[in-house]
Amino acid sequence: DAKTTQPNSMESNEEEPVHLPCNHSTISGTDYIHWYRQLPSQGPEYVIHGLTSNVNNRMASLAIAEDRKSSTLILHRATLRDAAVYYCILRGAIAYSGAGSYQLTFGKGTKLSVIP
Amino acid sequence: NAGVTQTPKFRILKIGQSMTLQCTQDMNHNYMYWYRQDPGMGLKLIYYSVGAGITDKGEVPNGYNVSRSTTEDFPLRLELAAPSQTSVYFCASTMDARSYEQYFGPGTRLTVT
Repeated sequence: DAKTTQPNSMESNEEEPVHLPCNHSTISGTDYIHWYRQLPSQGPEYVIHGLTSNVNNRMASLAIAEDRKSSTLILHRATLRDAAVYYCILRGAIAYSGAGSYQLTFGKGTKLSVIP
Repeated sequence: NAGVTQTPKFRILKIGQSMTLQCTQDMNHNYMYWYRQDPGMGLKLIYYSVGAGITDKGEVPNGYNVSRSTTEDFPLRLELAAPSQTSVYFCASTMDARSYEQYFGPGTRLTVT
C-alpha cells in the first residue's frame, strides 16, 4: 500500500481554521484518500474522503492537490472537541479468493492540540 | 442503533491465560475487522471477515484466532496470552467493499503481565 506522511503534531487556537497536511507521493490512480480522527480513549471515527476533487461535509473540507500527491484536511473553526489524532489513509485492497475487502492502514497520524 | 459494541472494556491477563474479546454490530454490516493499537502508534489489522463463515488474516495475526458464525458477531480469541499482546483492541465494521466508512467500537484495553 502507498504510504502517507504527516506531521507528528500541530497546534491551533480555538475558533481558528486548521490545515492538516498529508503527503502521499506514491499514491496510485485508484486510491481514495480517507481521513479519520481518534479522540482520546475512543475508537477512530470517519471524517471525510475523496478521490480527485475537493470535498466538503459537515465536519471538514478536503483539498486534494492536482497531482494527488498531497492533500489537506481543513477544519474551518477548531473547537476544543476537535483535539484528536488525525489519520490520513490511502485505501488499499486485499485480494481474497476473488472477493475484495478494503483495509485501512493507519500510520501515527497528527496529534492536534486546540488552545482555548 | 448501538453501532459496534465491545466487551470487556478492560482486562488484565496473566501470561499463558486465554480469553475472548467480544464484538457485536447491529448495522447488518457484512465486513468486520479487528485492529490492535500499541501506545503512541497507529492501528494494525489482525483479522478481517467479509461475511459469516469467511475470515482472513491481516498484518499481525500471530497469537490470535477469529470466527464469524453470524453477521452480527466477530469474536477475537487469544489462546496463550503474552506480554507482547498488551494493547488496545478495536473492532470495526462496514457494509461492504464499496463502503467508504468503517465504524469503530470503543475498544478493549488488555494488559498481559
